[in-house]
Amino acid sequence: AQSVTQPDIHITVSEGASLELRCNYSYGATPYLFWYVQSPGQGLQLLLKYFSGDTLVQGIKGFEAEFKRSQSSFNLRKPSVHWSDAAEYFCAVVSNTGNQFYFGTGTSLTVIP
Amino acid sequence: EADIYQTPRYLVIGTGKKITLECSQTMGHDKMYWYQQDPGMELHLIHYSYGVNSTEKGDLSSESTVSRIRTEHFPLTLESARPSHTSQYLCASSEPEYNSPLHFGNGTRLTVT
Repeated sequence: AQSVTQPDIHITVSEGASLELRCNYSYGATPYLFWYVQSPGQGLQLLLKYFSGDTLVQGIKGFEAEFKRSQSSFNLRKPSVHWSDAAEYFCAVVSNTGNQFYFGTGTSLTVIP
Repeated sequence: EADIYQTPRYLVIGTGKKITLECSQTMGHDKMYWYQQDPGMELHLIHYSYGVNSTEKGDLSSESTVSRIRTEHFPLTLESARPSHTSQYLCASSEPEYNSPLHFGNGTRLTVT
């Protein structure tokens, strides 16, 4: 069965510092991976997705993620965090039938001045 | 900007009441989903639909029901609300292609007293 693990429940970074959020997946075939962001009181917004090809994918708001098959990871990065990036971040993988997305438990990001 | 709309945003209701959570999308998407979201937990799929007159239960056991009479509309109904139904409910839609990303509404936060 597919699953997603986000090891960090909560991360605090200073504004302007770099950010890396971890995501590990369990999947038997080529995974289709996503990162979503959720601001308080809002739904989830797609940041980026990986299907195939270049293992470094660019997303919105200056985010990028790198797919590493050998480590079963799809970590999200941003070189310089802004206060508006404070939110909950979810990693997800889609099932091999395309019927269901499997989400991680999320990482809550706090940005301090 | 939200192309998928959920109403109400917040609902407080007493035990035993019947409630319907509304979800509409203007993107013409065939696939629609209902997820339940609780703090610190992954999103759980409770219902999905591939098109008009198509509905399926997700992995999470739920006492709710759904209908899909029109492409744009996917309401969720609880016949008799209980405190255990207190949660955030997220509606999503996607294009029919395999691994198309999900587009989420802003959610309905339900509290059953």
